[in-house]
Amino acid sequence: KAGVTQTPRYLIKTRGQQVTLSCSPISGHRSVSWYQQTPGQGLQFLFEYFSETQRNKGNFPGRFSGRQFSNSRSEMNVSTLELGDSALYLCASSYLGLAHNEQFFGPGTRLTVL
Amino acid sequence: GQQVMQIPQYQHVQEGEDFTTYCNSSTTLSNIQWYKQRPGGHPVFLIQLVKSGEVKKQKRLTFQFGEAKKNSSLHITATQTTDVGTYFCAGPGETSGSRLTFGEGTQLTVNP
Repeated sequence: KAGVTQTPRYLIKTRGQQVTLSCSPISGHRSVSWYQQTPGQGLQFLFEYFSETQRNKGNFPGRFSGRQFSNSRSEMNVSTLELGDSALYLCASSYLGLAHNEQFFGPGTRLTVL
Repeated sequence: GQQVMQIPQYQHVQEGEDFTTYCNSSTTLSNIQWYKQRPGGHPVFLIQLVKSGEVKKQKRLTFQFGEAKKNSSLHITATQTTDVGTYFCAGPGETSGSRLTFGEGTQLTVNP
């Protein structure tokens, strides 16, 4: 089975721009979660999607949004980029998105905001 | 809100020495998961503990879940250079779904 894939792997943007990141979960997995990883804040939960519905949301401003498509692929969007948005964005998929389900992480998208 | 704390933040050991990282949650957890992230890589699931007082072993790695289900530890016996990476504990969120609250991680370096 193919693992979780994320595109693009690297992005460089400037302040004020917007960006869209994509995640394809493992085939058959219906839950996709997004995390932001920075050296200072560690791994912070952004949101989770299950069957095209946002099921959980972390404490991030409204500039961060996402969606999930019928094939379980997910995108996240960050508008009006700020320098502090520079981070590794990881998506993780799990079969049913239950609390005890193992999560499989993708390689991440490294976003740099200049 | 729920907090998961992990110590130490960094650990440097000589190859062959033992290593332990500790994880504490501000709330009782239904389960705890451990992940390893190699330098430049992404978190990879290691194990899940569910029962109070549970102990699980994977070769040189021993995982424990506290009796009160609020703390956990990972112990590596006789570290090897392949153990290098950051070890994270993570607990499920207080709402349903697959949300995880991660500890800050312990970065392990092993000197050959």
